[in-house]
Amino acid sequence: GAGVSQSPSNKVTEKGKDVELRCDPISGHTALYWYRQSLGQGLEFLIYFQGNSAPDKSGLPSDRFSAERTGGSVSTLTIQRTQQEDSAVYLCASSSRIDRGSPTKGTQYFGPGTRLLVL
Amino acid sequence: KQEVTQIPAALSVPEGENLVLNCSFTDSAIYNLQWFRQDPGKGLTSLLLIQSSQREQTSGRLNASLDKSSGRSTLYIAASQPGDSATYLCAVREMDSSYKLIFGSGTRLLVRP
Repeated sequence: GAGVSQSPSNKVTEKGKDVELRCDPISGHTALYWYRQSLGQGLEFLIYFQGNSAPDKSGLPSDRFSAERTGGSVSTLTIQRTQQEDSAVYLCASSSRIDRGSPTKGTQYFGPGTRLLVL
Repeated sequence: KQEVTQIPAALSVPEGENLVLNCSFTDSAIYNLQWFRQDPGKGLTSLLLIQSSQREQTSGRLNASLDKSSGRSTLYIAASQPGDSATYLCAVREMDSSYKLIFGSGTRLLVRP
């Protein structure tokens, strides 16, 4: 089936504007994750969803960042009042809890990312 | 705090060589370790996942090993090809309740024809 999809693939915005990034996980995957990849920082975790709830938001860098997930499927990451340091690639991943007992259980599958540039 | 380190940061080899990429982590209490490849401007492709109870996993020309007690994993690539050129990332998931992955900074591999 289809993999994880993200939109938009690229986003250029002006400092101070709000942006919304969308993630469509693999169908049936209950877990969804957001990560950020920026130059000099590597890949860092932002937030984890199980169903529609977010038991781990520890990676969100400030209160300008928020995320929600509806219907146990699509997730939206919102960045308010964007700053230049928010420029990065935002990656979404999903995984299944159904494959318990499988040697691949827990595998996280990543989308292509959204490249955000804040001018 | 868990830290993941990958050595070398970059590697250039002629086609056909066998090569080893290294990953080390500071806290051995991990749930699993996952190897990814990332092509320029693209997302991450999962290569292999090793559960904490396993010693190695194989897929085609790739073999990943895990020595949890010493905090090390290696990714062995046999008979390298130019198409293997990419950045290789390892990531660990810890034993606590969080499902997040903690990534190394990657090894940038170039296989020369």
